[in-house]
Amino acid sequence: AQTVTQSQPEMSVQEAETVTLSCTYDTSESDYYLFWYKQPPSRQMILVIRQEAYKQQNATENRFSVNFQKAAKSFSLKISDSQLGDAAMYFCAYREGGSEKLVFGKGTKLTVNP
Amino acid sequence: DGGITQSPKYLFRKEGQNVTLSCEQNLNHDAMYWYRQDPGQGLRLIYYSQIVNDFQKGDIAEGYSVSREKKESFPLTVTSAQKNPTAFYLCASSKTNLAYEQYFGPGTRLTVT
Repeated sequence: AQTVTQSQPEMSVQEAETVTLSCTYDTSESDYYLFWYKQPPSRQMILVIRQEAYKQQNATENRFSVNFQKAAKSFSLKISDSQLGDAAMYFCAYREGGSEKLVFGKGTKLTVNP
Repeated sequence: DGGITQSPKYLFRKEGQNVTLSCEQNLNHDAMYWYRQDPGQGLRLIYYSQIVNDFQKGDIAEGYSVSREKKESFPLTVTSAQKNPTAFYLCASSKTNLAYEQYFGPGTRLTVT
């Protein structure tokens, strides 16, 4: 079964600085999709960024970018110019092509210090 | 505005009672999902439905039931058979093309005592 591992239960960053959240996954498939979701204190899950496995180019959304290393099965999230509103739980998720299931990691709690 | 609504935000029930959580979406998405979130855990899939009148079990379906009579609605019933029902429940929807991400509702916190 596919698994997603987030090895950092908690991280902290100073406002305006850059932070990287780690995610590794285990799969034998070649067709899959990867996502980062943000869950702020309101607990609403918000999509931050997505990556298709067949694309070599790393996805970028404004201050959020990923480092997708397919051979290493690594999918880290970089947040640049961190803002107080970035404080949240961040979940990495994997979805196999042909499957409806999203497999989530256990999350990383990000604190942003003013 | 298009989105997913879940009500109520907080729900309290006595042990032994069934309880139904509502989920409605106006995004015209075909697929809908129910997840359970416990402290320190990621989300775990309970049930999902790709089309009206059809649904499949997820990883932790025991003690839960669902129905999908309308495209917009996917209610989840937590039955008395669910041993640890207290949790945060999230509903999601997506287009059926598997490249598409899932969009989530605001969630319902269920407490059973």
